[in-house]
Amino acid sequence: DGGITQSPKYLFRKEGQNVTLSCEQNLNHDAMYWYRQDPGQGLRLIYYSQIVNDFQKGDIAEGYSVSREKKESFPLTVTSAQKNPTAFYLCASSSTSGGADTQYFGPGTRLTVL
Amino acid sequence: GQQVMQIPQYQHVQEGEDFTTYCNSSTTLSNIQWYKQRPGGHPVFLIQLVKSGEVKKQKRLTFQFGEAKKNSSLHITATQTTDVGTYFCAVYNFNKFYFGSGTKLNVKP
Repeated sequence: DGGITQSPKYLFRKEGQNVTLSCEQNLNHDAMYWYRQDPGQGLRLIYYSQIVNDFQKGDIAEGYSVSREKKESFPLTVTSAQKNPTAFYLCASSSTSGGADTQYFGPGTRLTVL
Repeated sequence: GQQVMQIPQYQHVQEGEDFTTYCNSSTTLSNIQWYKQRPGGHPVFLIQLVKSGEVKKQKRLTFQFGEAKKNSSLHITATQTTDVGTYFCAVYNFNKFYFGSGTKLNVKP
């Protein structure tokens, strides 16, 4: 079964804790992305990666970190420096690093800070 | 970075009525994509347009790319309750996708 998986589906965090959101894809896609979505809002880009061991900041990277050690995996860490982390986090991938191709999204992780 | 403005923000229609959402840019676009996000779900790719004046249809959905490649529209004919969700346009540029703010469609049965 091909696709993108994200875990966990729901995550609760206490203030001051770092948490890591998992994103795995078996589509053999080069590019992967992390977005944040607040209620009733659009998608804002946090980080993206075109190839393994390389990634770039998006529009709202502050308070977040990523790694891309394997093509299939692009975990996102929400650090304690992120002041308002409660949101819906979506991971996506696309097949063409250098061109416009379809983005496939994972089911998302809903993070709530208690 | 690239900006795309999407209107309206919300649209409430009676089942059977038509619906249109618009995406506008101040600069010429090389491509535009449309996605649908059901309530509680994740965005799902619908279509991509790349040519000036391009029109594509998917059953009751009609997608259009403006002649100047600065705007696009998604039109749904005779809405059904299954059309409920938020529709986003997106542009690929500089190795990133830029999303519009979305139009949330509610269909009353």
